[in-house]
Amino acid sequence: GENVEQHPSTLSVQEGDSAVIKCTYSDSASNYFPWYKQELGKRPQLIIDIRSNVGEKKDQRIAVTLNKTAKHFSLHITETQPEDSAVYFCAASKDGNQFYFGTGTSLTVIP
Amino acid sequence: DVKVTQSSRYLVKRTGEKVFLECVQDMDHENMFWYRQDPGLGLRLIYFSYDVKMKEKGDIPEGYSVSREKKERFSLILESASTNQTSMYLCASRSQGTETQYFGPGTRLLVL
Repeated sequence: GENVEQHPSTLSVQEGDSAVIKCTYSDSASNYFPWYKQELGKRPQLIIDIRSNVGEKKDQRIAVTLNKTAKHFSLHITETQPEDSAVYFCAASKDGNQFYFGTGTSLTVIP
Repeated sequence: DVKVTQSSRYLVKRTGEKVFLECVQDMDHENMFWYRQDPGLGLRLIYFSYDVKMKEKGDIPEGYSVSREKKERFSLILESASTNQTSMYLCASRSQGTETQYFGPGTRLLVL
């Protein structure tokens, strides 16, 4: 089956700096890669996703890049704000049903 | 707005008890999922369902079963709860035409 690895497990940045979270996957058939944000005590919420026919996608301060050859994808958050503090999960899927999640990155933005 | 609700936020059960976790979605989604979330392990898929009365095993189905008698409701059953099933359980749903999953608020289960 698919194996998704996520790094780092914890990340602290100063407010205004950028944050980068990286994930690798093992199954070259995976073609959909969502990122979820989970604030403390709340449900995971989709923040951005990318499909394998696209190399990069941006949504305001958030961007995701995908390197299919190397089988890795990354989340980039620019101009971080305290409300960006949360746990971020990457995931990979090839059929939209079986999702494989990374182990999460706890991001702390220091004011 | 998609709404996914779970029957309990917190649950405490004894070893050997039968436990039912209920999930309801109000957006007529075909696909529903049950995950467990554990520190350092992320989310792991237990079961999913793509239609009424249909179910498929995920990565960790052992010790669990599911029921989907109605489209909007997906139940997770622990036939005989064990302490290693202490966890956060998250339900999710998605429309057949999209890949976006919408999660419920989670049920934190403690098995003593």
